[in-house]
Amino acid sequence: GIQVEQSPPDLILQEGANSTLRCNFSDSVNNLQWFHQNPWGQLINLFYIPSGTKQNGRLSATTVATERYSLLYISSSQTTDSGVYFCAVIFQKLVFGTGTRLLVSP
Amino acid sequence: DTGVSQDPRHKITKRGQNVTFRCDPISEHNRLYWYRQTLGQGPEFLTYFQNEAQLEKSRLLSDRFSAERPKGSFSTLEIQRTEQGDSAMYLCASPGATGGNEQFFGPGTRLTVL
Repeated sequence: GIQVEQSPPDLILQEGANSTLRCNFSDSVNNLQWFHQNPWGQLINLFYIPSGTKQNGRLSATTVATERYSLLYISSSQTTDSGVYFCAVIFQKLVFGTGTRLLVSP
Repeated sequence: DTGVSQDPRHKITKRGQNVTFRCDPISEHNRLYWYRQTLGQGPEFLTYFQNEAQLEKSRLLSDRFSAERPKGSFSTLEIQRTEQGDSAMYLCASPGATGGNEQFFGPGTRLTVL
């Protein structure tokens, strides 16, 4: 089956810093989502981004489907950005990546 | 609030007991998905329904697990003879208000088997 790898696995930032999270997938996909999982376990939808670039406030995402990767950019990070970020490719069901655990310190 | 609700939010049980979880998806959508997430891992697909029909089941869904969606609205997931390895977060998802492929998750049911 399709493999979805995320990097880095762990990231520690100072508040205000910028970061880029990467999602690589092993096969062609038509649809991809990014999620933020908060400390209570709730998966929060960030982007539904099959291709191209989208922006929402301090967050933006780019998917290059032909090269089998997606990037999530976080600018001017805040402590509330801490948590685990997952990408997931959609084959009817979602196939999740390995996750990036982000800690933003004050 | 995604509009997907799950009950209970937490369940602690003893090994060997049966447990049942409920999911109420965003209304008017015919697809409903169950996932399981163990500590430190990403969610993994268990099964999905289109209306009442269970269309796909993962190999993770052993014969102790059964899922139903009797009227094509809410769904239940039952685990019989629970084992400590069943301890996990059980997540339910459905498409959003406009349909399509994007999935929205409920808050999950955290199961602890002692």
